[in-house]
Amino acid sequence: EAQVTQNPRYLITVTGKKLTVTCSQNMNHEYMSWYRQDPGLGLRQIYYSMNVEVTDKGDVPEGYKVSRKEKRNFPLILESPSPNQTSLYFCASSVTSGNYNEQFFGPGTRLTVL
Amino acid sequence: ILNVEQSPQSLHVQEGDSTNFTCSFPSSNFYALHWYRWETAKSPEALFVMTLNGDEKKKGRISATLNTKEGYSYLYIKGSQPEDSATYLCAFAGGFKTIFGAGTRLFVKA
Repeated sequence: EAQVTQNPRYLITVTGKKLTVTCSQNMNHEYMSWYRQDPGLGLRQIYYSMNVEVTDKGDVPEGYKVSRKEKRNFPLILESPSPNQTSLYFCASSVTSGNYNEQFFGPGTRLTVL
Repeated sequence: ILNVEQSPQSLHVQEGDSTNFTCSFPSSNFYALHWYRWETAKSPEALFVMTLNGDEKKKGRISATLNTKEGYSYLYIKGSQPEDSATYLCAFAGGFKTIFGAGTRLFVKA
């Protein structure tokens, strides 16, 4: 089954404790992206990747890191989480850049930073 | 700063009503406009990708139009059903980034 998976689905952590949210897709997509969703706001893009070893900042990259060492995986790293990073996070992928191709979204990760 | 706005924020309709909502986006550097449907506790799912001025797309009872010159798109739902209850997101693609609107939350009462 073609899908985007994220782990963990739910996470409660404390300020400053490094964490990684994994994202994997099995569709051989080139483009992958991370978004956060907060009440009253649309999905805001954190980072995106056009292909392996090619990543760039979205609109809200502060406090996050990403890597794209393999085509299928695009982990999101919070080196020192803070309470303002409490949010619902979505990973998404598309065949090529998100311009003309629909994005397929993962199930979401709900993160709470205390 | 690129801004994508959707209106209304929420909408309550009765089963059988037809409804429509609006997405406004920058008219410059346009590549595509996407519509997604997002049900509670699920992930957003693509409805339409629209690229050309004057585009009209249809999927069942849902249709969308696009005006790139004035920077807006309309989504129409004909004969709303309770299963249409969801948040409808539009997303402006203007390069490598994608800018989402905040969505229109639709409630359809049986």
